[in-house]
Amino acid sequence: ETGVTQTPRHLVMGMTNKKSLKCEQHLGHNAMYWYKQSAKKPLELMFVYNFKEQTENNSVPSRFSPECPNSSHLFLHLHTLQPEDSALYLCASSQEGGIAWGELFFGEGSRLTVL
Amino acid sequence: SQQGEEDPQALSIQEGENATMNCSYKTSINNLQWYRQNSGRGLVHLILIRSNEREKHSGRLRVTLDTSKKSSSLLITASRAADTASYFCATDAYSGAGSYQLTFGKGTKLSVIP
Repeated sequence: ETGVTQTPRHLVMGMTNKKSLKCEQHLGHNAMYWYKQSAKKPLELMFVYNFKEQTENNSVPSRFSPECPNSSHLFLHLHTLQPEDSALYLCASSQEGGIAWGELFFGEGSRLTVL
Repeated sequence: SQQGEEDPQALSIQEGENATMNCSYKTSINNLQWYRQNSGRGLVHLILIRSNEREKHSGRLRVTLDTSKKSSSLLITASRAADTASYFCATDAYSGAGSYQLTFGKGTKLSVIP
């Protein structure tokens, strides 16, 4: 148990669906992240939120829309995805991010399959 | 672009043997971290070594860092079947505008045979 909880653990959606991934951290951290892990590729950083403000967007397509209502919760809204978006989506948190990269605490991930 | 790259991509050893994994990176760093991932699960932080440190230990783990060669190694001594996992190095790379990103390599897949 890392203190970072992701739901759902598994999600299957069609290309026209709208769904959301949720992440919650109970560690009192100020930074939260979304990473994408595809087969045979390095982890890709998608978004960084530091004190609820988005500080990084790594040229992620607009069909992925993040939301960070407070420092403990992070969402990834999904709409009109493509089959190549199928991957393991990992949420992480740390004390702070952007300049001082310390230890990241990861959730167990949400396995997304787009049909 | 990928900052860290692990070598080998896959490693298979007998239980009790030592496992060594290497990581090379391209640009200067503030720190380097190693993570472990069991199949289909999240990553778990193992150890962080700062750029001014050369060696660090944690239990059966030993990490070295050579900034002149831009490389690091992770040694797991007396391996156990439970050490079977993928191991990733992560480095903080400058992403512009005064900020850094933590960039991961593709990982080394370690199999420890009982």
